[in-house]
Amino acid sequence: SQQGEEDPQALSIQEGENATMNCSYKTSINNLQWYRQNSGRGLVHLILIRSNEREKHSGRLRVTLDTSKKSSSLLITASRAADTASYFCATDARTGANSKLTFGKGITLSVRP
Amino acid sequence: GAGVSQSPSNKVTEKGKDVELRCDPISGHTALYWYRQSLGQGLEFLIYFQGNSAPDKSGLPSDRFSAERTGGSVSTLTIQRTQQEDSAVYLCASSLQGAHGELFFGEGSRLTVL
Repeated sequence: SQQGEEDPQALSIQEGENATMNCSYKTSINNLQWYRQNSGRGLVHLILIRSNEREKHSGRLRVTLDTSKKSSSLLITASRAADTASYFCATDARTGANSKLTFGKGITLSVRP
Repeated sequence: GAGVSQSPSNKVTEKGKDVELRCDPISGHTALYWYRQSLGQGLEFLIYFQGNSAPDKSGLPSDRFSAERTGGSVSTLTIQRTQQEDSAVYLCASSLQGAHGELFFGEGSRLTVL
């Protein structure tokens, strides 16, 4: 089942602009993570936010989490052409002993030079 | 090794053949995951290992798919009697804390079934 669903599916912006990507999920979570995937490569972890946190920063990245709305957003400030990639949100649902991340379908971000 | 290593990176096979995909996780990582990614799609969970046991194998699509992990390290994903719909990139990830922490992904094994 698809726990996390990202929005929009594709985003095209000019270098220097900010990029905002959203993720919604369905069940209670322990944490939510964002990953990046360059074409033809594996996924790289960007940031993790726990269910008791509301906002987190890492360099040019800002993540927010609203557990009441079951949603998260990833903001990339001052985007660069090198930020062009697919971005996935993933949730660690509260399912007892089992521990797996469920990924959304991803957002394709294109940053034009 | 420094990261998660997967082999082969590319595999082309004929329908009906068996294939084995290998994953060598980061040393010391007790949790290991297999995911499948079809063209332009998200990641589909296949199986999760904690040590050598698989508490969650709910994502394996059919009984043609199996996976094992030995010595708490290397894992092998086996697909028997491959079908064209099995064509995808198979991604392996390992973690110290399971899904409570960061997953480290390999570069994937691209499987093409003709």
